[in-house]
Amino acid sequence: GAGVSQSPSNKVTEKGKDVELRCDPISGHTALYWYRQSLGQGLEFLIYFQGNSAPDKSGLPSDRFSAERTGGSVSTLTIQRTQQEDSAVYLCASSLGVDSPLHFGNGTRLTVT
Amino acid sequence: RKEVEQDPGPFNVPEGATVAFNCTYSNSASQSFFWYRQDCRKEPKLLMSVYSSGNEDGRFTAQLNRASQYISLLIRDSKLSDSATYLCVVNGGGGNKLTFGTGTQLKVEL
Repeated sequence: GAGVSQSPSNKVTEKGKDVELRCDPISGHTALYWYRQSLGQGLEFLIYFQGNSAPDKSGLPSDRFSAERTGGSVSTLTIQRTQQEDSAVYLCASSLGVDSPLHFGNGTRLTVT
Repeated sequence: RKEVEQDPGPFNVPEGATVAFNCTYSNSASQSFFWYRQDCRKEPKLLMSVYSSGNEDGRFTAQLNRASQYISLLIRDSKLSDSATYLCVVNGGGGNKLTFGTGTQLKVEL
């Protein structure tokens, strides 16, 4: 069966541009997470969606970051006015529920020049 | 206190050694626990869930100590291919999200 799919796999953008990263979770998974990871660092939590509940946005580093999840499935992470410090791998993960393990996508490697 | 804490390592061990990692968590209401493995420049992958009674999968044994609020991962007869970062994951209880530790790096050497 299909796993978590993220696109694009790589994105190079100029400082100040907006970018959109997409995540297709595993069908039927109600929980969806976004993380980012800089080289050699741990996972940094960004945002968490669970079913129809209000998302937990406590990890978003600034108001330039936003995410939505349409129809309880596909999610888009948007970064406005990108900065060089936004360069990282952005990982999406989904699970059946709060007590179930996460399944990760391959990530989007974002480079801001 | 951090929600989930791990010793970052690195743990450098010879092939064939037994190595153990601990991970402490702060929320006594936590109900779900997992160990993940992450290879360099790859996404984390589930290694095993951790059950209350402890569980084993081949060379890997996971245990939960609720009284002291930690989970452990034991790797026996370590292989070169076990070299990776091991992440513990704990849920917050009451429907809260899963939280990752920062990971423990393991290097298995000849």
